[in-house]
Amino acid sequence: KAGVTQTPRYLIKTRGQQVTLSCSPISGHRSVSWYQQTPGQGLQFLFEYFSETQRNKGNFPGRFSGRQFSNSRSEMNVSTLELGDSALYLCASSPGTGGAGTEAFFGQGTRLTVV
Amino acid sequence: GEDVEQSLFLSVREGDSSVINCTYTDSSSTYLYWYKQEPGAGLQLLTYIFSNMDMKQDQRLTVLLNKKDKHLSLRIADTQTGDSAIYFCADRATSGTYKYIFGTGTRLKVLA
Repeated sequence: KAGVTQTPRYLIKTRGQQVTLSCSPISGHRSVSWYQQTPGQGLQFLFEYFSETQRNKGNFPGRFSGRQFSNSRSEMNVSTLELGDSALYLCASSPGTGGAGTEAFFGQGTRLTVV
Repeated sequence: GEDVEQSLFLSVREGDSSVINCTYTDSSSTYLYWYKQEPGAGLQLLTYIFSNMDMKQDQRLTVLLNKKDKHLSLRIADTQTGDSAIYFCADRATSGTYKYIFGTGTRLKVLA
């Protein structure tokens, strides 16, 4: 069974640009969550999508947005990039039912560098 | 809001046991997890425990949960150099959502 696939693995962008990151969850999983990991703030929850609907949202500015497609693949977009957006962005896949044992599995992440 | 805290560093000798500690604040926590992150990689789920359990053992891993003190620990028996990584404790307070609150991570260094 294939794991969680995030593309691209590495990305370099210039301040002010926008970027789109992609996540393909494990087959059959309907929930996709996104996290930002930085040395200073650690792992912070961005948002979660389930069946194409945003189910939960973290405390990030509106420049961070996401969506989920009918095949459960998800994208997140960051507009007007700032230097502080440089981070490892991790995607997590789960069945989505939220019950016992339905833990999330993470991808390898996309390393975004803003210059 | 919810918060999860861990000590930053732990160093042990190969073959010894490692104990990584975590405290959390949310009294409604339902599921608590331990993840491992190796350099340049994503998070690997190690184990988890439900809030109605006190202990869970999984091969070399033992998780202890003290709900009264909101304290979680991960014990790794016979620690190997391959166990060197960052270990994250995570709290998923509400069933039905996958919003995890992660601790700061504990960097485990195993000395040969």
